[in-house]
Amino acid sequence: DTGVSQNPRHKITKRGQNVTFRCDPISEHNRLYWYRQTLGQGPEFLTYFQNEAQLEKSRLLSDRFSAERPKGSFSTLEIQRTEQGDSAMYLCASSKDRAGNSPLHFGNGTRLTVT
Amino acid sequence: AQSVAQPEDQVNVAEGNPLTVKCTYSVSGNPYLFWYVQYPNRGLQFLLKYITGDNLVKGSYGFEAEFNKSQTSFHLKKPSALVSDSALYFCAVRDLLSGSARQLTFGSGTQLTVLP
Repeated sequence: DTGVSQNPRHKITKRGQNVTFRCDPISEHNRLYWYRQTLGQGPEFLTYFQNEAQLEKSRLLSDRFSAERPKGSFSTLEIQRTEQGDSAMYLCASSKDRAGNSPLHFGNGTRLTVT
Repeated sequence: AQSVAQPEDQVNVAEGNPLTVKCTYSVSGNPYLFWYVQYPNRGLQFLLKYITGDNLVKGSYGFEAEFNKSQTSFHLKKPSALVSDSALYFCAVRDLLSGSARQLTFGSGTQLTVLP
């Protein structure tokens, strides 16, 4: 178990630029989640994959956000035309449970700063 | 809709004293409840969960939590706090009857500070 890996750890970008984050889940975990966390708040659900299928998207996920998991392994989260309000920690998590009672395993996150 | 409330933003306790971090929840059906801990600039680490069965669940690092259905609470406890327990603690719920059954909903977090 090598854990969930997220890259990069930090990203500073100018407003209007596009950014892409990568998440490598724990191998054999078929479920992958993206969350966003702002200072002083708990993580907020963005989207969820089961294998390569994106099964659920939050209303927080505007049309500037897109996530993919093309082969059911790693996932990418892209933000187009970034805004200062996008500054946050983006967390990826994985699990292999079908019954819903297994915990999520989180990566250390990608901290995005939009200037 | 499922929701979680952590009424205290900050909890301070002296080392060696018992600690409690409070959590209440709201769901349509039966809840799956979780506690996570977060250290600075890190992701969340799983501490413990309640799914069914015994209302008192034990987890990592000596933590435990008590599920109380009538009070819709799931408070985190530890008999003797350590300075190294100082961190941000999150309660989370999953409601299998809701339309968002696949996602965990997190509380806003409680910063625990254990004073030496």
